[in-house]
Amino acid sequence: DAKTTQPNSMESNEEEPVHLPCNHSTISGTDYIHWYRQLPSQGPEYVIHGLTSNVNNRMASLAIAEDRKSSTLILHRATLRDAAVYYCILRVGDGNKLVFGAGTILRVKS
Amino acid sequence: EAGVAQSPRYKIIEKRQSVAFWCNPISGHATLYWYQQILGQGPKLLIQFQNNGVVDDSQLPKDRFSAERLKGVDSTLKIQPAKLEDSAVYLCASSYRTQGGTDTQYFGPGTRLTVL
Repeated sequence: DAKTTQPNSMESNEEEPVHLPCNHSTISGTDYIHWYRQLPSQGPEYVIHGLTSNVNNRMASLAIAEDRKSSTLILHRATLRDAAVYYCILRVGDGNKLVFGAGTILRVKS
Repeated sequence: EAGVAQSPRYKIIEKRQSVAFWCNPISGHATLYWYQQILGQGPKLLIQFQNNGVVDDSQLPKDRFSAERLKGVDSTLKIQPAKLEDSAVYLCASSYRTQGGTDTQYFGPGTRLTVL
């Protein structure tokens, strides 16, 4: 299974942007980059995904490097409700399997 | 739209006992997943169903774990007999279809199992 590398934890101030990095140097051409997050005592929830181009949705933005070996999840204005574990996952192109790593624990300070 | 439902939310049992978890996916979702999440780790896929057939059960400890989805809708996951290391949160997820790397999985709240 394709692997990703994320920092163990990050901290942000409320109302400030947060950039969560992810390295995936072994990514192949058909692997999608997905981000999920898990709030305390809840199941994971989908955040965003992309293949080659940068993506925006109501929750976040995803910036994908030109060589696709890394990506960054951007929360434009962090709130206390964004405190969660964020998982960067590579999805094999013809399947639907999610292989979770340990993720990044995001702490948001008020 | 109703989300993925799971029950019970919490379960405490002694080792060597049996336990079962139930999951009702989002209506119309053909694919159902069971994950195990040990404290401090990301979820690990145990089994994936497409309708009532198994797509992937490569990480299911088949000597003690079993799962079924007889009518292609709700599903049960059973552990018999339980071991201490089975203490974890068991998450159920569903998605509309199997194929394609863009399909979103929707997770339930999970069942927290404690084995004493």
